[in-house]
Amino acid sequence: EAGVAQSPRYKIIEKRQSVAFWCNPISGHATLYWYQQILGQGPKLLIQFQNNGVVDDSQLPKDRFSAERLKGVDSTLKIQPAKLEDSAVYLCASSLGLRGGAGNQPQHFGDGTRLSIL
Amino acid sequence: AQKVTQAQTEISVVEKEDVTLDCVYETRDTTYYLFWYKQPPSGELVFLIRRNSFDEQNEISGRYSWNFQKSTSSFNFTITASQVVDSAVYFCALTANYGQNFVFGPGTRLSVLP
Repeated sequence: EAGVAQSPRYKIIEKRQSVAFWCNPISGHATLYWYQQILGQGPKLLIQFQNNGVVDDSQLPKDRFSAERLKGVDSTLKIQPAKLEDSAVYLCASSLGLRGGAGNQPQHFGDGTRLSIL
Repeated sequence: AQKVTQAQTEISVVEKEDVTLDCVYETRDTTYYLFWYKQPPSGELVFLIRRNSFDEQNEISGRYSWNFQKSTSSFNFTITASQVVDSAVYFCALTANYGQNFVFGPGTRLSVLP
């Protein structure tokens, strides 16, 4: 079974530039998550999709971050414009999804994209 | 709001020692799920275990065991006879019944020395 695919692995940009990350979840997984992990901290959930609908985006800085999952499969996360504090690893995860409670489904994580802002 | 606390920032042990990683959680939900994930130096988060709020049975899987106590809101993780390959950051996590409000703790960095 192929795992969660993310690209690119690394990205270096200057502040105020734009950047986009791509994620392809495990086949058949209905739920997709984007996390931000700042060095030395635990992952922070940015947005959660169930198929192509948003379940939770309460911690997404919507003035600069956006995400979409138009066909309910792969997803993109965009930052525009980037700030220095956005330097982090951006993790994508997927799970089987809601079946009487998505909470009981373990998440499978990709390798992440390491973003550095100069 | 949901919260996970892992008070131990870093732990160092010598190989073959037993080690317990603490996790304390806060939630207002009556149904919730707890998880442990491992993040080795390579960076990819690896799922270890999940436990729902109605199942307080302790679980053992090889050298790993978990102690869930609702009375103290704790879900501790013990590694028996630690090995160098256990060196990683370990995260405890909490989610509500339908997977919303997923929260990770700050992590505990475990170093197992040969």
